[in-house]
Amino acid sequence: EVQLLESGGGLGQPGGSLRLSCAASGFIFSNYAMTWVRQAPGMGLEWVSSISNSESSTNYADSVKGRFTISRDNSKNTLYLQMNSLRAEDTAVYYCAKGWDGMDVWGQGTTVTVSS
Amino acid sequence: DVVMTQSPLSLPVTLGQPASISCRSSQSLVYSDGNTYLNWFQQRPGQSPRRLIYKVSNRDSGVPDRFSGSGSGTDFTLNIRRVEAEDVGVYYCMQSTHWPRTFGQGTKLEIK
Repeated sequence: EVQLLESGGGLGQPGGSLRLSCAASGFIFSNYAMTWVRQAPGMGLEWVSSISNSESSTNYADSVKGRFTISRDNSKNTLYLQMNSLRAEDTAVYYCAKGWDGMDVWGQGTTVTVSS
Repeated sequence: DVVMTQSPLSLPVTLGQPASISCRSSQSLVYSDGNTYLNWFQQRPGQSPRRLIYKVSNRDSGVPDRFSGSGSGTDFTLNIRRVEAEDVGVYYCMQSTHWPRTFGQGTKLEIK
């Protein structure tokens, strides 16, 4: 069974950092691009970042560019999102998803709250 | 950025009746490979999103055949042939032709 399991969410300070992880199983992780999508409380879905299967290509939303870094470790079947210079507006549930043309599998999400 | 505009934003439907959601993009979603990367997602209350439809009209595995997608260029539609109670939730279109990827605002389907 294909599964994605996010972790690393929690309370972050404004200006602080958090690192999210997404452990993948049930498919050949190194064959697929991966994506992070977030959802602020009571709001819609917002694409955050995507990375190619070989890590050669990355893309970011303008709202996170220069602050967030997406990466992956294909030997560990794990996707990461390093979040720096956190802002209150980064408060959201963060989902990892398989693929970048159309995300066909999603994790259960991890909640990030940015507050002092 | 490509703006995705859904309508209606709220959709009350009687059980067993059809439902239709429109999604319009501010630019053509036809990619250089000839494909149109328009997806539909369902998010049930308290759950993660789930993809229903990819490349305009292809149903994902396990998606009931009462769901269908259609359209071309900049104008797309998700149809539900006969709404069931389990269809309650928010539906999003998303384009994956252009960077950045963009979602519609979401359409909340409820039972009348």
